[in-house]
Amino acid sequence: DGGITQSPKYLFRKEGQNVTLSCEQNLNHDAMYWYRQDPGQGLRLIYYSQIVNDFQKGDIAEGYSVSREKKESFPLTVTSAQKNPTAFYLCASSPGTWGRETQYFGPGTRLLVL
Amino acid sequence: GNSVTQMEGPVTLSEEAFLTINCTYTATGYPSLFWYVQYPGEGLQLLLKATKADDKGSNKGFEATYRKETTSFHLEKGSVQVSDSAVYFCALSRESNDYKLSFGAGTTVTVRA
Repeated sequence: DGGITQSPKYLFRKEGQNVTLSCEQNLNHDAMYWYRQDPGQGLRLIYYSQIVNDFQKGDIAEGYSVSREKKESFPLTVTSAQKNPTAFYLCASSPGTWGRETQYFGPGTRLLVL
Repeated sequence: GNSVTQMEGPVTLSEEAFLTINCTYTATGYPSLFWYVQYPGEGLQLLLKATKADDKGSNKGFEATYRKETTSFHLEKGSVQVSDSAVYFCALSRESNDYKLSFGAGTTVTVRA
């Protein structure tokens, strides 16, 4: 089955700790995205990548970092600089071209601060 | 950039009631329009889409028509079920010729038996 997997489902972070959220896709999509969702709110774009070894900041990149060393993988690190990291994090992918904008989402990771 | 405005929720309905969720957009050019659905604790799933004016997207009994004259893409379902309880998001391309999407704030729908 083609799709996007995210792990872990739940993640706990201590003060001052960096944590990394995993996102893998086997859809052969070029573009990948990370969104943050807070309760009762829409999706805010953190980072996106259109191609391997390249990524761009989204609307709320401060306190986050990403890498794109492989086409199928786009991990997100929540650093200690992110002062309010508690949220639901969603990874998505798409073919990465205009006219083919449909995004496919993973099941999400819920990050909680201890 | 392009943007969408959704009706605020929450919306609470009885089973078999008619559902409408309003979505209006502001855009340059002719972006594709999308409705996504998010069930509790899950990621988003594409519900339907329309790529040009007057197109009607449909899926699982839901429909939405791309109305250029009113810049709208309202979601409708004639008879809702408890299983339709979810958050619904309207979305469109962020900019002309851009592959990234901009999402509305979401509308929470609860269907009671």
